[in-house]
Amino acid sequence: SSELTQDPAVSVALGQTVRITCQGDSLRSYYASWYQQKPGQAPVLVIYGKNNRPSGIPDRFSGSSSGNTASLTITGAQAEDEADYYCNSRDSSGNPLFGGGTKLTVL
Amino acid sequence: QVQLVQSGAEVKKPGSSVKVSCKASGGTFSSYTISWVRQAPGQGLEWMGRIIPILGIANYAQKFQGRVTITADKSTSTAYMELSSLRSEDTAVYYCAREFGLLFDYWGQGTLVTVSS
Repeated sequence: SSELTQDPAVSVALGQTVRITCQGDSLRSYYASWYQQKPGQAPVLVIYGKNNRPSGIPDRFSGSSSGNTASLTITGAQAEDEADYYCNSRDSSGNPLFGGGTKLTVL
Repeated sequence: QVQLVQSGAEVKKPGSSVKVSCKASGGTFSSYTISWVRQAPGQGLEWMGRIIPILGIANYAQKFQGRVTITADKSTSTAYMELSSLRSEDTAVYYCAREFGLLFDYWGQGTLVTVSS
């Protein structure tokens, strides 16, 4: 099977830039998608594909990928960006696989 | 705009089963892929399985094989996830989500299933 590894927690000062990473072998073959989850709410898709944002997602969110690592970057983090972030790709069977999640704190 | 509305919270005894529904509106239900994802308290997201209603084909994560059954009723645009032989570790919020290629673009609101004696 495969794994997607994320840092459990990351912090960023208000208005600064933060990168959240996701590592896994499957990322050499598949793009990651990224989800934001606030307490008590369902996840929300924020980035997918090479670097695509669904309608309504601010352009301070961007994605990138290199080798076995996918990254979600928030440029100019806002207080409302404080949330858990999950990456998603595929396992060795081609089924969806989530990273363990990163708790983002905006200071 | 696709909307997924799930059934309400459930409290179940260990060893019993639970069936959660997910009613879709907007778009063409039969052409969707509906996945089920669960989240235990304070934990991350875990994919359980999916169904393609137009084909009636479901596949499951190895961890849940034999214990989960995902079905769909095209006439009511509703997907179902049934989990059997419940244990305390199955206490979680269960989400349905539309799987579109490599992403999940619409999510239900979640259904809390509590397993307790």
